[in-house]
Amino acid sequence: EDQVTQSPEALRLQEGESSSLNCSYTVSGLRGLFWYRQDPGKGPEFLFTLYSAGEEKEKERLKATLTKKESFLHITAPKPEDSATYLCAVQAGNDYKLSFGAGTTVTVRA
Amino acid sequence: NAGVTQTPKFQVLKTGQSMTLQCAQDMNHNSMYWYRQDPGMGLRLIYYSASEGTTDKGEVPNGYNVSRLNKREFSLRLESAAPSQTSVYFCASSEEKNQPQHFGDGTRLSIL
Repeated sequence: EDQVTQSPEALRLQEGESSSLNCSYTVSGLRGLFWYRQDPGKGPEFLFTLYSAGEEKEKERLKATLTKKESFLHITAPKPEDSATYLCAVQAGNDYKLSFGAGTTVTVRA
Repeated sequence: NAGVTQTPKFQVLKTGQSMTLQCAQDMNHNSMYWYRQDPGMGLRLIYYSASEGTTDKGEVPNGYNVSRLNKREFSLRLESAAPSQTSVYFCASSEEKNQPQHFGDGTRLSIL
């Protein structure tokens, strides 16, 4: 069974204080790893897809990286508007199913 | 630029009542999905539809039925609601099965 674990559960940052979120996974035949951002009362918003170890993607202050066992979402010099819950999901084999982690809730204080 | 639209946004039901949650997408996507999200747990797939005319069970299908009405619309039905089905329900769509899924803003369902 596919397993996705995100850590930490919650992260409080000062504006400008860079940090990283972790997503570790146990799957057979990774097809893709997806990062989403979710604001309170909203649906998840797609950020990145990573397909193979060593791949990196960037968007504004966010950078996602992938190894064979985990992915990191690096937040550089965060701003209060980066406050959200960040979700990681994996897709494996020929299954349509996305297996989601429980998320990391990031709070950035001004 | 609607994307994925879900109705209703909120609903309160009594145990045993039935309810259909509606979902429509305007992105011409082939695949559509229904998830539930509970506190402290990741999103869990209920049912999905790879293409118009097909539906398949996901991780937690018991107590639910779905209908892929056409390419745009995918509905989720609770035939006899139970308190354990209190949750936030999300519909998503993707162009193909291995493409990113795009989500609606959810239906918040409480069953008393």
